[in-house]
Amino acid sequence: DAGITQSPRYKITETGRQVTLMCHQTWSHSYMFWYRQDLGHGLRLIYYSAAADITDKGEVPDGYVVSRSKTENFPLTLESATRSQTSVYFCASSFHRAEAFFGQGTRLTVV
Amino acid sequence: GIQVEQSPPDLILQEGANSTLRCNFSDSVNNLQWFHQNPWGQLINLFYIPSGTKQNGRLSATTVATERYSLLYISSSQTTDSGVYFCAVAPNTGNQFYFGTGTSLTVIP
Repeated sequence: DAGITQSPRYKITETGRQVTLMCHQTWSHSYMFWYRQDLGHGLRLIYYSAAADITDKGEVPDGYVVSRSKTENFPLTLESATRSQTSVYFCASSFHRAEAFFGQGTRLTVV
Repeated sequence: GIQVEQSPPDLILQEGANSTLRCNFSDSVNNLQWFHQNPWGQLINLFYIPSGTKQNGRLSATTVATERYSLLYISSSQTTDSGVYFCAVAPNTGNQFYFGTGTSLTVIP
């Protein structure tokens, strides 16, 4: 399917476990982004990537790791999940200085 | 980073009413988008509008980049317009988007 897709849509994990959220886009967009959405904070940027093998920190990067070995994929890993990382995570992609498109979101609960 | 402020934070409208949502930003931008987050949490692109005016049906938007604000107009509101409206901007120095905290709109029949 064309577009941007996230998986899984819902995830429950335990404190201390490693979890990876996947993001895949079919437009060959150069830029990809990860955001988290929490009540009272809107959407905050975690990490972004300008191209394959180029990543940079956003506003709230602590506790997260990203990689981008292929243009179309941008996985987000929580190396040791904490309850404060319970959130809804959105992935997005765009060309340089162009419209961004968002995935459906992943609702992550850390218990 | 760039600051994005949206107003009002909450809005309740009778069906058929018009409204204006505002987005102020603290620095020069090369990109600005308006999104609607529906009750299922999906972010829907409304406008890509770094400058100028655009219209799409009952919705229109205007961005005055030199004065650092954008407006979203909703006319003849419908219950399906309910949800949260977000403004997101990318500064001239980069391509990453920064979001406002949104305007929560409820349209009552």
